[in-house]
Amino acid sequence: DAGVIQSPRHEVTEMGQEVTLRCKPISGHNSLFWYRQTMMRGLELLIYFNNNVPIDDSGMPEDRFSAKMPNASFSTLKIQPSEPRDSAVYFCASSFLGMETQYFGPGTRLLVL
Amino acid sequence: DQQVKQNSPSLSVQEGRISILNCDYTNSMFDYFLWYKKYPAEGPTFLISISSIKDKNEDGRFTVFLNKSAKHLSLHIVPSQPGDSAVYFCAASVQAGTALIFGKGTTLSVSS
Repeated sequence: DAGVIQSPRHEVTEMGQEVTLRCKPISGHNSLFWYRQTMMRGLELLIYFNNNVPIDDSGMPEDRFSAKMPNASFSTLKIQPSEPRDSAVYFCASSFLGMETQYFGPGTRLLVL
Repeated sequence: DQQVKQNSPSLSVQEGRISILNCDYTNSMFDYFLWYKKYPAEGPTFLISISSIKDKNEDGRFTVFLNKSAKHLSLHIVPSQPGDSAVYFCAASVQAGTALIFGKGTTLSVSS
């Protein structure tokens, strides 16, 4: 069975550009989570969705970040405009609703120059 | 403030011996605790979990112990194998299906 799929795996962009990260959760899972990993702050939740509805976006750093989940099999995380401090690894995870175990994708390594 | 702390950045163990990874937490509302393993350039992989109503959970070579009074949990790996060399993250949530709060990780090196 396919796990969580993320694309692209690597992204290098210049400051000010728009960046879009994509995630396909495990089929049947109805909760989706976006995390960010940095050296300074470790792994932190940005936002999560239940049944395609955003539940908690308190981790989204600022208005430059937005996330959508138009259907059960696809989510995007967009950064516009990007800044060098956004450089990090962004992970998507999914789970069954109300279950404690989250399954992570391979991550997108973002570098903003 | 870090709610989940892994105070040992690294641990070195010989193959066949026991590895003990520790985790402390401050939020008494945490209801579930999980351990993840992470290889470079990969996402975290779920290892084992425990709910706050239990004090031990075992799965093969992996055992997690929870001491609620001390707000401490540990992961025991017996016997350790070279393939266990990775970064181990402790995570906690106040409710199943909500945000996981992660520690900073402990790098385990198992030598043969």
